[in-house]
Amino acid sequence: QQQVKQSPQSLIVQKGGISIINCAYENTAFDYFPWYQQFPGKGPALLIAIRPDVSEKKEGRFTISFNKSAKQFSLHIMDSQPGDSATYFCAASSNQGGKLIFGQGTELSVKP
Amino acid sequence: GAGVSQTPSNKVTEKGKYVELRCDPISGHTALYWYRQSLGQGPEFLIYFQGTGAADDSGLPNDRFFAVRPEGSVSTLKIQRTERGDSAVYLCASSRRAGGTDTQYFGPGTRLTVL
Repeated sequence: QQQVKQSPQSLIVQKGGISIINCAYENTAFDYFPWYQQFPGKGPALLIAIRPDVSEKKEGRFTISFNKSAKQFSLHIMDSQPGDSATYFCAASSNQGGKLIFGQGTELSVKP
Repeated sequence: GAGVSQTPSNKVTEKGKYVELRCDPISGHTALYWYRQSLGQGPEFLIYFQGTGAADDSGLPNDRFFAVRPEGSVSTLKIQRTERGDSAVYLCASSRRAGGTDTQYFGPGTRLTVL
């Protein structure tokens, strides 16, 4: 019930391509879905987040698509750049406290 | 402004020893979280504080783990009788308040190695 499942585990994309990472959850009490970016040796940093009352949110090259009925959400990185190479984590939380439940992570490599 | 800081950045200890890990949150943030990240995994929730009190400690794996935040700012995660399985990166995060959509800002973590 508390799990967030993330795929793929790793992803290789050419520069300029689209990177797509998917997540699925089971707990319908979740109402906040952030994506975090983590570089080696650093802590995770918030990239973009969405609430379930909208189906899509876009910030620059980053877009979250949210499907409430399927309990799935995804991150799309348009025009992927080598500097986007990092590990990406989806997460979820409910309004009952702020603890984040993280997915297993996706290691993205953008080739020049 | 200063972000979340954690000390030490690395800690190597021997099995059975006691360790303390420190977290300095962003000034003014009332909520503070501890997570543990094993190699190749996502962060795993341990405990969070709202002010001085532990609001949710459901993620602490056993009674060897304990955390305090006596003045509502700095927090210390304490691990007794360390085991090799405790080896991980311990992450601290803070937010203006707990719950809702307040962003959690993470520190760089403390890498704990238990030999």
